[in-house]
Amino acid sequence: EVQLVESGGGLVKPGGSLRLSCAASGFNLNSAWMTWVRQAPGKGLEWLGRIKSKINGGSTDTDSAAPVKGRFMMTRDDLKNTVYLQMNSLKTEDTAVYYCARGFSDSWGKYHGDDALDIWGQGTMVTVSS
Amino acid sequence: QSALTQPPSASGSPGQSVTISCTGTSSDVGGYNYVSWYQQHPGKAPKLIIYEVDKWPSGVPDRFSGSKSGNTASLTVSGLQAEDEADYYCSSYAGINIMIFGGGTKLTVL
Repeated sequence: EVQLVESGGGLVKPGGSLRLSCAASGFNLNSAWMTWVRQAPGKGLEWLGRIKSKINGGSTDTDSAAPVKGRFMMTRDDLKNTVYLQMNSLKTEDTAVYYCARGFSDSWGKYHGDDALDIWGQGTMVTVSS
Repeated sequence: QSALTQPPSASGSPGQSVTISCTGTSSDVGGYNYVSWYQQHPGKAPKLIIYEVDKWPSGVPDRFSGSKSGNTASLTVSGLQAEDEADYYCSSYAGINIMIFGGGTKLTVL
């Protein structure tokens, strides 16, 4: 079964750090562009950033949204089939469910790494509070 | 980059059709044919139901259809069923390797 499983969420104080993991199974992570999305309680989805695959990019290029740029960093370990989101200098407004998601490859072989996400994890809750 | 604009709510009776709009700018929705739609049931992860404005991923019923005109994309759900009651989010590629989402629309099946 193709799936993503996030872990590492929890309660952290403002200014603290946390590392989320996203473990993939049922497919080869090494060819996938992976995206992180969060959803604050009762709110909508917010794109956080995307990490390319080494196959497509040659290097694992990342792009991040303005609110988290410089504080959050995405990395990947394809041997462990896992991507990570390192979150530093956390703020109360970072409280949310964090999802990882896979870029979509359509039936015609076109890759939608930056515009469509077909496999999502179940999410992991991060609460930033003193 | 501001979120795309969606109506907070929409509703329809079983069997009817309902359309949800998603308004952006020429830098996102209007500039690219890369609009996607997601369905999210309470407590669940989002599910991709439309990509590239009007295409269906495998397994998604064709009761869901997408379109775009200028800076506004739309999702139409035809033949409403009880299980269609969910939150719906649009997203668009916005250039410079960025994706943005809409604020979401809660669809109620009356």
